[in-house]
Amino acid sequence: GESVGLHLPTLSVQEGDNSIINCAYSNSASDYFIWYKQESGKGPQFIIDIRSNMDKRQGQRVTVLLNKTVKHLSLQIAATQPGDSAVYFCADAVSGNTPLVFGKGTRLSVIA
Amino acid sequence: NAGVTQTPKFRVLKTGQSMTLLCAQDMNHEYMYWYRQDPGMGLRLIHYSVGEGTTAKGEVPDGYNVSRLKKQNFLLGLESAAPSQTSVYFCASSRRDRAPQETQYFGPGTRLLVL
Repeated sequence: GESVGLHLPTLSVQEGDNSIINCAYSNSASDYFIWYKQESGKGPQFIIDIRSNMDKRQGQRVTVLLNKTVKHLSLQIAATQPGDSAVYFCADAVSGNTPLVFGKGTRLSVIA
Repeated sequence: NAGVTQTPKFRVLKTGQSMTLLCAQDMNHEYMYWYRQDPGMGLRLIHYSVGEGTTAKGEVPDGYNVSRLKKQNFLLGLESAAPSQTSVYFCASSRRDRAPQETQYFGPGTRLLVL
C-alpha cells in the first residue's frame, strides 16, 4: 500500500540556521503534498502545500521542494527560531480520490 | 470562527466501558476525519466522512464506529474500550467545493486513557 516516510526522526539546529526536513513518498500517483507542524499538546497545523505540477513553492520563511523523479519532498525553514521547535509531518494524496497519508514525523529541536 | 473543536479534552475509561468523542466544525466543510496518534506512529486514519450521512473506513477502523448525522458534527464511538485504544485522537475537516480539497484542518485533540 501507499506509505509516506521520513529519513530522520530527529533534527537539531542552531537558532538562526536553516533547517531542512526530508520526506519520501511511495505512491507515484500522488499529486498533492502537504506539510504540517505539531507543537506539543496541540493538533497539527497547516504550513504549506504543493501540487505535482510544481517543484518549488515558497511561503513565509518556508519553502517546499518536490522531486517527483525520486519521490522526495523537503521542507526548508529559513533562520530557524525557537518557536519552530515541533514535530513536522509530511503527507500526500491523490487529488479528489484518497485521504491524506501521513508520515511518522520529524522532531525539530532548535538550540538557542 | 472556532474552526474544529473536540470534546472532551481528556478522558479515563476502564476496559469495557463505552464513550463517544464529539468533533464539531464551523467552516461548512464537507469532509471530516478521525485519526489516532500514538508515539512514533504518526497519524493513522480511523474513519472518515465525505458528507452528511456517509462514512468510510480508514487504516485502523476496528473497535470504532462513527456517525455523521449533521454536516458540522462527526462522532467517534468506542463500544467496548480496550487498553490498546489509549491514544490521542484528532479530528480534522476539509472542504470539497474548491481545491485544494485535501488541506485538512485539525482540532486540538482528545487524550484517552483506557485502564
